[in-house]
Amino acid sequence: EDKVVQSPLSLVVHEGDTVTLNCSYEVTNFRSLLWYKQEKKAPTFLFMLTSSGIEKKSGRLSSILDKKELFSILNITATQTGDSAVYLCAGCSVDETSGSRLTFGEGTQLTVNP
Amino acid sequence: GAVVSQHPSWVICKSGTSVKIECRSLDFQATTMFWYRQFPKQSLMLMATSNEGSKATYEQGVEKDKFLINHASLTLSTLTVTSAHPEDSSFYICSASGLGLAEPYEQYFGPGTRLTVT
Repeated sequence: EDKVVQSPLSLVVHEGDTVTLNCSYEVTNFRSLLWYKQEKKAPTFLFMLTSSGIEKKSGRLSSILDKKELFSILNITATQTGDSAVYLCAGCSVDETSGSRLTFGEGTQLTVNP
Repeated sequence: GAVVSQHPSWVICKSGTSVKIECRSLDFQATTMFWYRQFPKQSLMLMATSNEGSKATYEQGVEKDKFLINHASLTLSTLTVTSAHPEDSSFYICSASGLGLAEPYEQYFGPGTRLTVT
């Protein structure tokens, strides 16, 4: 059974701090690792990582994948109160017969205090 | 980008009634649609996967007679919660993947439907 584990489950920081969120995965027929941000509604897409060692960046957010260690991190620099959300990591597997499938981790609840 | 809509965004119903939730892909053909359920402070749990024109594949522990899924066209899938009970109260989210997308296996999420059963 595929498994995705995120840590920490909860994190409280002050504005301006830098945070690192962790995600480890065990996914058969692994294709990609995805990061989402979830506030009050459905998750919004942040990154999709398919290759090891190549950092993806979007503003203050960046992410990298290590396919040897089955691990990914999401970094947020100079955090703002608007970054407060649950950050979800998901492993995507693709199978010829059953198609694609996402397995989500439990999420990291990030709270950024002013 | 690819857009997925859900309707309704929230619904309150009485115990014993049935509720239908629609998921539509607005600007691409969704060959596969996924239905997730999310309880408070928990992650998304996949309920079922449906391919257009065929029966849905349900995850272990999800009752197919209770959660009826229909994916009759390339732009619409419906989830019907039959004989709803308070324990079915949850946030239901659909996602879709399909033809004409930059990444064929990428899933695009709808905004979710919050169901409350009283």
